[in-house]
Amino acid sequence: AQSVTQLGSHVSVSEGALVLLRCNYSSSVPPYLFWYVQYPNQGLQLLLKYTSAATLVKGINGFEAEFKKSETSFHLTKPSAHMSDAAEYFCAVSDIQGAQKLVFGQGTRLTINP
Amino acid sequence: DTEVTQTPKHLVMGMTNKKSLKCEQHMGHRAMYWYKQKAKKPPELMFVYSYEKLSINESVPSRFSPECPNSSLLNLHLHALQPEDSALYLCASSQVFTGATSRVFGPGTRLTVL
Repeated sequence: AQSVTQLGSHVSVSEGALVLLRCNYSSSVPPYLFWYVQYPNQGLQLLLKYTSAATLVKGINGFEAEFKKSETSFHLTKPSAHMSDAAEYFCAVSDIQGAQKLVFGQGTRLTINP
Repeated sequence: DTEVTQTPKHLVMGMTNKKSLKCEQHMGHRAMYWYKQKAKKPPELMFVYSYEKLSINESVPSRFSPECPNSSLLNLHLHALQPEDSALYLCASSQVFTGATSRVFGPGTRLTVL
């Protein structure tokens, strides 16, 4: 069964610094991978999605992620953090065979220091 | 219209009450989902409807009863809930029910059971 591991439940960066949120997946078949963001007291919003096309995926709000099959990783990056990026970020892998469910990681809380 | 709406935003109920949560989308999506999210945790899948038919029930207690009256609406009927059922309940939709399609989430209903 597919699973994802997000390394670091809490990441803190300074405004203007690089944001790097780590996600490793486990899948016996080529996966579909997603990053969602959740602002306080809101639902989840899709940041970007990997669907086996380009390995470098660009998303909204200046975020991007690179699919690395050899490392089974799908890390999320943003060159320059903004205060408005403070939120909870979830990596997810889809079960494209069988139950078709979306499996979430435990989440990483991103804090931006002024 | 590219959003999922949920009502009410907040709900407080006693353990003997009966209440309902409502979810609506007008994107023509044929899959709709209920998720439960506890604080600082990822969303947990509860139910999936595909083409208005219940496709997945993740062994949810019978005090939660889903209903899909048509392709745009999804309800969650609540009866005799327990305090541990207090959580954020998220509705989501997708074009179809496959692992490859991204889910669009609503803002959620914050439920408190006294």
